[in-house]
Amino acid sequence: AQSVTQLGSHVSVSEGALVLLRCNYSSSVPPYLFWYVQYPNQGLQLLLKYTSAATLVKGINGFEAEFKKSETSFHLTKPSAHMSDAAEYFCAVSDRGNTGKLIFGQGTTLQVKP
Amino acid sequence: ETGVTQSPTHLIKTRGQQVTLRCSSQSGHNTVSWYQQALGQGPQFIFQYYREEENGRGNFPPRFSGLQFPNYSSELNVNALELDDSALYLCASSLAETGLNEQYFGPGTRLTVT
Repeated sequence: AQSVTQLGSHVSVSEGALVLLRCNYSSSVPPYLFWYVQYPNQGLQLLLKYTSAATLVKGINGFEAEFKKSETSFHLTKPSAHMSDAAEYFCAVSDRGNTGKLIFGQGTTLQVKP
Repeated sequence: ETGVTQSPTHLIKTRGQQVTLRCSSQSGHNTVSWYQQALGQGPQFIFQYYREEENGRGNFPPRFSGLQFPNYSSELNVNALELDDSALYLCASSLAETGLNEQYFGPGTRLTVT
């Protein structure tokens, strides 16, 4: 069975500071990994995905994530936080079959202070 | 390119009633997945439809059912509504043939059961 754990339900950073959102996964097969962002009262927007090409994945809005198999991690980072980054972030895992099931973590709320 | 759309935006129902939610997939996509997101939680997979057939189901009772139409749009039906069914229902579309499970989400339908 697959699962995702996001460490820290709330993360607060100052504008311009490094953003680090943690995600650990469990999977018995090579996974696909995703980060999504959700703004208030909206759906989920895909930030980036890992599908077994480069282990360092670059996404939209300056975010990137590194797949570390030895640590079963896929942490999301951004060098410099912007006020507009304040949102809910979800890490998700899926297998490589055709079931299409995404398994999400509980989410991390990112607060950006001026 | 048209994104994923969902209707209605908000809905209020009474316990025991039935509800139908609708989703139009992104142009060129042939697979639709439905998720339930309770307040403060990550989305939970309900089921997926591919070429008008159910292609995977999460841990939801049979009173949650769905349809996919030839134009790849989809419906989610919930019978005998319970208070715990109050949630944001998200639809996501993807193109199965890429094998990447890259899902694009609509804005969701907020269902309130009283």
